[in-house]
Amino acid sequence: AQSVTQLDSHVSVSEGTPVLLRCNYSSSYSPSLFWYVQHPNKGLQLLLKYTSAATLVKGINGFEAEFKKSETSFHLTKPSAHMSDAAEYFCVVISRGGQNFVFGPGTRLSVLP
Amino acid sequence: NAGVTQTPKFRILKIGQSMTLQCTQDMNHNYMYWYRQDPGMGLKLIYYSVGAGITDKGEVPNGYNVSRSTTEDFPLRLELAAPSQTSVYFCASRVGGWGGDQPQHFGDGTRLSIL
Repeated sequence: AQSVTQLDSHVSVSEGTPVLLRCNYSSSYSPSLFWYVQHPNKGLQLLLKYTSAATLVKGINGFEAEFKKSETSFHLTKPSAHMSDAAEYFCVVISRGGQNFVFGPGTRLSVLP
Repeated sequence: NAGVTQTPKFRILKIGQSMTLQCTQDMNHNYMYWYRQDPGMGLKLIYYSVGAGITDKGEVPNGYNVSRSTTEDFPLRLELAAPSQTSVYFCASRVGGWGGDQPQHFGDGTRLSIL
């Protein structure tokens, strides 16, 4: 079965500094992976996806993630945090057959002025 | 383009009452999903559907029922509301098919409190 671990429940950075949100997955096959962002009182919005093409994936709002099969990781990064990046971030792996999405517990990102 | 629309946005129920959470999408997606989100727990799948007339249980289906009579609509029914069902409920849809590389599109959620 697929599973997702997000190593930090809360990350706090200063505005203008880099962001790193960590995600490790478990899958018995080559997975599809997503990062979603959830702003307060809103639904989830797709940031980026990996589907076995390029291992470095660029998303919206300056975010990117690198798929590392040897480390079973899919960490999310951004060179410079903005106040508007404060939100909850979810790493997601797709179940075999693509019917179900398995969500990590989420990482709350705080951006300090 | 409205995307995925959920109604109501907020609701307070008494224990034992019933209600239906509505979800409709206008993207002609064949896959639809219901999740609940509890603090610090991520999203848990309640039910999903791969097309009209086809539904299946997810991880936490107890206390809920669904139906899918049309491609657009996927209502979630709570028959006997219990305090444990206090949560935020999200509906999502996506283009289906083998491979699973199409993302889900989410509604803004329904915040439900059972008192």
